[in-house]
Amino acid sequence: NAGVTQTPKFQVLKTGQSMTLQCAQDMNHNSMYWYRQDPGMGLRLIYYSASEGTTDKGEVPNGYNVSRLNKREFSLRLESAAPSQTSVYFCASSERVGRGINQPQHFGDGTRLSIL
Amino acid sequence: GEDVEQSLFLSVREGDSSVINCTYTDSSSTYLYWYKQEPGAGLQLLTYIFSNMDMKQDQRLTVLLNKKDKHLSLRIADTQTGDSAIYFCAEGHNNDMRFGAGTRLTVKP
Repeated sequence: NAGVTQTPKFQVLKTGQSMTLQCAQDMNHNSMYWYRQDPGMGLRLIYYSASEGTTDKGEVPNGYNVSRLNKREFSLRLESAAPSQTSVYFCASSERVGRGINQPQHFGDGTRLSIL
Repeated sequence: GEDVEQSLFLSVREGDSSVINCTYTDSSSTYLYWYKQEPGAGLQLLTYIFSNMDMKQDQRLTVLLNKKDKHLSLRIADTQTGDSAIYFCAEGHNNDMRFGAGTRLTVKP
């Protein structure tokens, strides 16, 4: 049972390049999330998708776009990478149990992104 | 400032108990969580407590919740070297989950 799978695991980009981080979950969860993790700052929510076909901004959405391709997949795109986007990116998913209440989130192993 | 606060470091000796503390600000939080992160890995859900509970025990883990003071703690009994990791406290309601900065637990043999 793979859970939440992220690709790639590592990536180095030059400033201004674009790339898409991929995430897929096999738990049939409705909700999916993208976070970034920076030293001493915990995790900060970039975007989330409460259900297939919907996406919403989180705490730090600037410089990112997302696509909820289907129920399984939620991708994060950097259109023009900047050094400030050097971080570890985590995808997560959870089951919605009704009236906005979600079960705990399950995380992928992360993508380590460096922008030079 | 932070919505969820934790101390950054804790060091204990193998076999001792570890207590990691957390304070949060949102009184409407429905769930409170503890996650463990080992080096190079994602966050692993350790345990969680619903906001109408005071305590939850799961083997070596005990979670205590004081809603009045908005204080959450995680106690690890008989701490082992394999428990060395970063522990994140998080609060959640609806689609929003807020994480603390994480407490790095070091277990000395």
